[in-house]
Amino acid sequence: DGGITQSPKYLFRKEGQNVTLSCEQNLNHDAMYWYRQDPGQGLRLIYYSQIVNDFQKGDIAEGYSVSREKKESFPLTVTSAQKNPTAFYLCASSIRSVGGVSNQPQHFGDGTRLSIL
Amino acid sequence: SQQGEEDPQALSIQEGENATMNCSYKTSINNLQWYRQNSGRGLVHLILIRSNEREKHSGRLRVTLDTSKKSSSLLITASRAADTASYFCATDGGTSGSRLTFGEGTQLTVNP
Repeated sequence: DGGITQSPKYLFRKEGQNVTLSCEQNLNHDAMYWYRQDPGQGLRLIYYSQIVNDFQKGDIAEGYSVSREKKESFPLTVTSAQKNPTAFYLCASSIRSVGGVSNQPQHFGDGTRLSIL
Repeated sequence: SQQGEEDPQALSIQEGENATMNCSYKTSINNLQWYRQNSGRGLVHLILIRSNEREKHSGRLRVTLDTSKKSSSLLITASRAADTASYFCATDGGTSGSRLTFGEGTQLTVNP
């Protein structure tokens, strides 16, 4: 079955530690996204990538980093500079939009819940 | 800032009733999407409506779009307990490329 796999489902971070969240898709999508969701809130965009080896900052990129070395994979690192990392992190992918218009539905993984130890 | 804002924040109804959720946005858009999120899960795409469309149907879902009022509504008819979830609207913001901006969602509870 095609889909997006996020791992781990739960992750705990110690003070001063960097942690990496995995996101893999087998939908052959060019575009991938990382969102952060706080309790009772909507999604906020952290980073997105429209093609391999290219990515752009979203609205809350500070304290996070990404890479896009393969089409299928878009890992997110939560660095020690992110002082309030406790949240639900969602990865999504879509067919690349045409003409700069976001006209494609996004497909989501089931998220990683990150907490501070 | 949030592009889309849903109203109400929470809605509780009985099984078989209709549920209506509203979304307002600030800037011009090319299209608007609705998503559903079950507790602790990822979002699932429900429907996309383009700026030149006024109404769209999918099964028990009906979406309307009024670009003059910068608002959209999602109607779920004959609701079921399994419809209990959070519902989000998302807009492309007109010129924001492949980015979507999500509202804060409406939490729908359907009581059996």
